[in-house]
Amino acid sequence: GENVEQHPSTLSVQEGDSAVIKCTYSDSASNYFPWYKQELGKGPQLIIDIRSNVGEKKDQRIAVTLNKTAKHFSLHITETQPEDSAVYFCAASKRAGGTSYGKLTFGQGTILTVHP
Amino acid sequence: EPEVTQTPSHQVTQMGQEVILRCVPISNHLYFYWYRQILGQKVEFLVSFYNNEISEKSEIFDDQFSVERPDGSNFTLKIRSTKLEDSAMYFCATSRGQGTPDTQYFGPGTRLTVL
Repeated sequence: GENVEQHPSTLSVQEGDSAVIKCTYSDSASNYFPWYKQELGKGPQLIIDIRSNVGEKKDQRIAVTLNKTAKHFSLHITETQPEDSAVYFCAASKRAGGTSYGKLTFGQGTILTVHP
Repeated sequence: EPEVTQTPSHQVTQMGQEVILRCVPISNHLYFYWYRQILGQKVEFLVSFYNNEISEKSEIFDDQFSVERPDGSNFTLKIRSTKLEDSAMYFCATSRGQGTPDTQYFGPGTRLTVL
């Protein structure tokens, strides 16, 4: 089955710096890669996602890149702010039958701390 | 903004007892999932549910686990005879089943502690 590895496990940056979190996946059939942010006491919240037919996607300060050949994808956060501090998870999925992408396979998570 | 809700937020139980974890999906969502996260480990898929039946389950989801939609609104996960290793955070997720891609929205989780 799919295996997703995520690095680093912790990341500490100064406010205004950029943060990069990297993930690799094992199943070449995976074609959907969401990123979730989890704040204390809350469930994971989707922040950005990318499908395998796209190499890069950007949403304001957040961007995701995908390299299908190397089977890795990365989250980039620019101009970090203290409120970006949270746990970030990458995940991978492939379209199952019907319209759903089916189960998500998660990475280990990255604890991001942004110091004011 | 609609959100997935879960009850209880924390459940403490004795080993061997049955527990039921409840989820209220977003109203127009058709696909339902349970995931769990043991402390310090990855979030793991347990089961997906569509059209009143299980569509996929992991090897974790053995005969001790069951899911149902008892009243058309709640989506429940039952663990018949809890073990110490069932202690974890359990997340419910739901998706519309439409659109590309089909985003999964997660609830806040139920922390299950088995003593």
